[in-house]
Amino acid sequence: DQQVKQNSPSLSVQEGRISILNCDYTNSMFDYFLWYKKYPAEGPTFLISISSIKDKNEDGRFTVFLNKSAKHLSLHIVPSQPGDSAVYFCAASAYQGGSEKLVFGKGTKLTVNP
Amino acid sequence: EAQVTQNPRYLITVTGKKLTVTCSQNMNHEYMSWYRQDPGLGLRQIYYSMNVEVTDKGDVPEGYKVSRKEKRNFPLILESPSPNQTSLYFCASRAEAPTYNEQFFGPGTRLTVL
Repeated sequence: DQQVKQNSPSLSVQEGRISILNCDYTNSMFDYFLWYKKYPAEGPTFLISISSIKDKNEDGRFTVFLNKSAKHLSLHIVPSQPGDSAVYFCAASAYQGGSEKLVFGKGTKLTVNP
Repeated sequence: EAQVTQNPRYLITVTGKKLTVTCSQNMNHEYMSWYRQDPGLGLRQIYYSMNVEVTDKGDVPEGYKVSRKEKRNFPLILESPSPNQTSLYFCASRAEAPTYNEQFFGPGTRLTVL
């Protein structure tokens, strides 16, 4: 049962344009969502997060949108740069009864072409 | 420099030969976790620890053991490795719960079990 889904394995955009990465989840208990970026041969690095009580969080060129009713979130990168080329993981977390659940999606490989 | 270190970075071993992958963090983080990354499956949590002497299973704990005897270290133990444990392993740490604190990942350990 895949609770966090990133349905696009890859995405290719031109430098300067907008990149939109999507993520869907099924567990309504998730209350926090995070995006991580991963370059080859490195560990993932935190990018941006959003609480379920918000619908938008912005940090520079990166904005995450959350639609709770649709159980959908998206990461917008504007403008996209070649250095943004990486694999992006969406993650969702819930903390229940003293234990936590943190689930990652399968990732979307973003390629930004010069 | 704040970091999570893993050793070894690369390991080739044979079925049944016990091995340990070490993980250490210098940020005084309470929470530590292990993940494995496999093609088409993304990052899956193996075990996590919310504090010293407190560990709990993630989504794929079978075949693995962990211990948390001190705050900075969280070794991953494979008592009898099998070929299906060939994977890329990441250790991560973060400050205490709640889960929205970003995790810092190590550089990864690529394990091959023949």
